[in-house]
Amino acid sequence: AQSVTQLGSHVSVSEGALVLLRCNYSSSVPPYLFWYVQYPNQGLQLLLKYTSAATLVKGINGFEAEFKKSETSFHLTKPSAHMSDAAEYFCAVSLGGFQKLVFGTGTRLLVSP
Amino acid sequence: EAGVVQSPRYKIIEKKQPVAFWCNPISGHNTLYWYLQNLGQGPELLIRYENEEAVDDSQLPKDRFSAERLKGVDSTLKIQPAELGDSAVYLCASSLAGPYNEQFFGPGTRLTVL
Repeated sequence: AQSVTQLGSHVSVSEGALVLLRCNYSSSVPPYLFWYVQYPNQGLQLLLKYTSAATLVKGINGFEAEFKKSETSFHLTKPSAHMSDAAEYFCAVSLGGFQKLVFGTGTRLLVSP
Repeated sequence: EAGVVQSPRYKIIEKKQPVAFWCNPISGHNTLYWYLQNLGQGPELLIRYENEEAVDDSQLPKDRFSAERLKGVDSTLKIQPAELGDSAVYLCASSLAGPYNEQFFGPGTRLTVL
């Protein structure tokens, strides 16, 4: 069965610093991979998704992620953190479509001034 | 365009009491999902509807949980009786029909069972 592992339940960065949130997947076949963001008291919002086209995927709010099959990774990055990026981020995997999502445990991003 | 609407946003009940959550999906979205999100965890799918039909309810604990989507629009998730371990956030999501459409999530209902 497919799964994702998010390394680090909390990541702290300073405003303007690089953001790197890690996600490794486990799947026997090429998966679809997703990053979602959850702001306090709000639902999840899709940041970006990988669907086997380009390995470098650009999303909303300046985020991007790179699919690396050799490392089974799909890490999320943003060159310069903004205070408004503080939220919980979830990596998810699915097979054969977008309907059966399996989420990681999430990483809380803290941004300090 | 209005997003996915859920109510109530917060609910506090005593154990063994029943509780119900309501979800109104985005207009035109035939597919509706209910997720359970425990504290510090990612969402886990409970049930997926295609119109009125529950097409994936393999993770729904059917001894105490039930769901319905009678007219293929709004949906209700019920727990009877609630247990302490049911304290969590219950998320509803919806999407257009078909396997490659984005899921849009509601804000969730936070349930506390005392």
